[in-house]
Amino acid sequence: DIQMTQSPSSLSASVGSRVTITCRASQSISVYLSWYQQKPGKAPSLLIYGTSNLQVGVPLRFSGSGSGTDFILTINSLQPEDIATYYCQQSYSVPYTFGQGTKLDVK
Amino acid sequence: QVQLQESGSGSVKPSETLSLTCTVSGSSIISGSFWGWVRQPPGKGLEWIGNIYHSGNAYYNPSLKSRVSLSVDASKNQISLRLTSVTAADTAIYYCVSTANERAPFDPWGQGALVTVSS
Repeated sequence: DIQMTQSPSSLSASVGSRVTITCRASQSISVYLSWYQQKPGKAPSLLIYGTSNLQVGVPLRFSGSGSGTDFILTINSLQPEDIATYYCQQSYSVPYTFGQGTKLDVK
Repeated sequence: QVQLQESGSGSVKPSETLSLTCTVSGSSIISGSFWGWVRQPPGKGLEWIGNIYHSGNAYYNPSLKSRVSLSVDASKNQISLRLTSVTAADTAIYYCVSTANERAPFDPWGQGALVTVSS
């Protein structure tokens, strides 16, 4: 199985700041990396797929980068509505696996 | 726009079988999409359970493979999940998911169904 490791596990940031979350795969997954946002009490929703492709309707302050084993989710100009837990997920091979999540709150 | 709705028993006794159904609307289940399930124990992370094509070709998480089965009912536009010999560790929110193919992301997600395993 491919292990996905996110860091940090939690972070607190100020409105308007830039936030980065990293995700590392235990082996190369090419660009088959997605990011999901899960708000409290809600199902996860797709933010970014194929490492850097923004899902329709997702604000442009979200962006993704990386390849191989190292990936980054960036939120530029953090907004209060971005409070959520963020998960990375690899779809390179079965079993599909998720990172453990990064819980983001606003200072 | 594809929508997914989970339904089924919210409570299961230990050693019994968990059964859930996902009803698909806005798309035909034989459209070629790859339908699946992801679960999330309360307060914890996400775990992929398995995916299935309308043809019946399915992929399962090896950690659950001996206990899990997925099926498709094209006449009802539904997919079903069965998990046998459940324990408290199977208590989770179970999400139905859709994906375009084997390397595509999960989108959309159903709202989720909480299943509690308790005697």
